[in-house]
Amino acid sequence: EAGVVQSPRYKIIEKKQPVAFWCNPISGHNTLYWYLQNLGQGPELLIRYENEEAVDDSQLPKDRFSAERLKGVDSTLKIQPAELGDSAVYLCASSARSGNTIYFGEGSWLTVV
Amino acid sequence: RKEVEQDPGPFNVPEGATVAFNCTYSNSASQSFFWYRQDCRKEPKLLMSVYSSGNEDGRFTAQLNRASQYISLLIRDSKLSDSATYLCVVNRGNNDMRFGAGTRLTVKP
Repeated sequence: EAGVVQSPRYKIIEKKQPVAFWCNPISGHNTLYWYLQNLGQGPELLIRYENEEAVDDSQLPKDRFSAERLKGVDSTLKIQPAELGDSAVYLCASSARSGNTIYFGEGSWLTVV
Repeated sequence: RKEVEQDPGPFNVPEGATVAFNCTYSNSASQSFFWYRQDCRKEPKLLMSVYSSGNEDGRFTAQLNRASQYISLLIRDSKLSDSATYLCVVNRGNNDMRFGAGTRLTVKP
């Protein structure tokens, strides 16, 4: 069974440019998460979806970040415009409705210069 | 105060040592608990769930104290391959998973 797939793996952009990350969760997983992880820190939740509904986006900086999960499967996370402080790893994860284990993708490593 | 707090370490131990990590959480309604392992430049992966009665998986033992809102992980007979960051994870309910900052472990020959 395929795991959580993310792209791109690495992205280098100049500040003020837009960037988008894509995630394909494990088949059948209703819950999808986007986490932000800075060096030496644990993952911090940005947004959580149950199917296509964003049930927790309280920590998503909505002035520059947006996310969507059309049809309750794939998801995209966008940053526009990017700032230097956005340099981090953006982790997508998914879990089954009835299960507790969450499975992560390999992450999208963003560097803003 | 962060919702999930861990001692950041680093813990530097020799092979064969026993090492323990602690974690506290602030939300008393939290429902389930986990330890994840994260290798350098890799994604976090589930190490083990933590049950109220305590549970063991080989050299790893996890304990939960709901009254004190405290979780622990004990690693016996440390191996070089145990070197990683260990993340404490709390499920606040409805798959709302929150992570600690992680405790870094280095096992040396």
